[in-house]
Amino acid sequence: GEDVEQSLFLSVREGDSSVINCTYTDSSSTYLYWYKQEPGAGLQLLTYIFSNMDMKQDQRLTVLLNKKDKHLSLRIADTQTGDSAIYFCAESISGYSTLTFGKGTMLLVSP
Amino acid sequence: DAGITQSPRYKITETGRQVTLMCHQTWSHSYMFWYRQDLGHGLRLIYYSAAADITDKGEVPDGYVVSRSKTENFPLTLESATRSQTSVYFCASSTGLTETQYFGPGTRLLVL
Repeated sequence: GEDVEQSLFLSVREGDSSVINCTYTDSSSTYLYWYKQEPGAGLQLLTYIFSNMDMKQDQRLTVLLNKKDKHLSLRIADTQTGDSAIYFCAESISGYSTLTFGKGTMLLVSP
Repeated sequence: DAGITQSPRYKITETGRQVTLMCHQTWSHSYMFWYRQDLGHGLRLIYYSAAADITDKGEVPDGYVVSRSKTENFPLTLESATRSQTSVYFCASSTGLTETQYFGPGTRLLVL
């Protein structure tokens, strides 16, 4: 079955790094996504990683994938107050099913 | 350049009434999706559509009806609203089933 799990809440200080973690259960996942939801808005794609990759970097964002442990993480360097939002991990499985989203991690960045 | 829009943005209705939430996209994306977002449940898929006149159930379809007569529109109808359908509803579109989804701003529905 499919299940994506995330911790619910993370609090950091401005300028620190944030690491948001996600675990998934289906080893045939082909794409793994990170979406961001700002207050009162819909979700927007932040980044994604193919399952044959270990790492992807995009400016302040670093995604790490550990396929053996089915663990995905999103690291945000130099976290800013504007990064405060809910972050969703999502997986897709072999192109035959819709995305499965985690419940979201609320990131709170304090000055 | 509207992208994907939802209307109304806020809606208050009463138990038993029929409510239709509208979703419109200007990209000609094949796929469209309806989700509900609830505290403690995250995002759950209600229905999705691969093309005009093709729809399929998601995780929580009961109590909802969809149609897709035109590629750009994907309305969601609550035939007889219940309090448990109080939620935030998001529409999304994409070029493929597992491709990047683009979300609308959401409709906040309160059923009294």
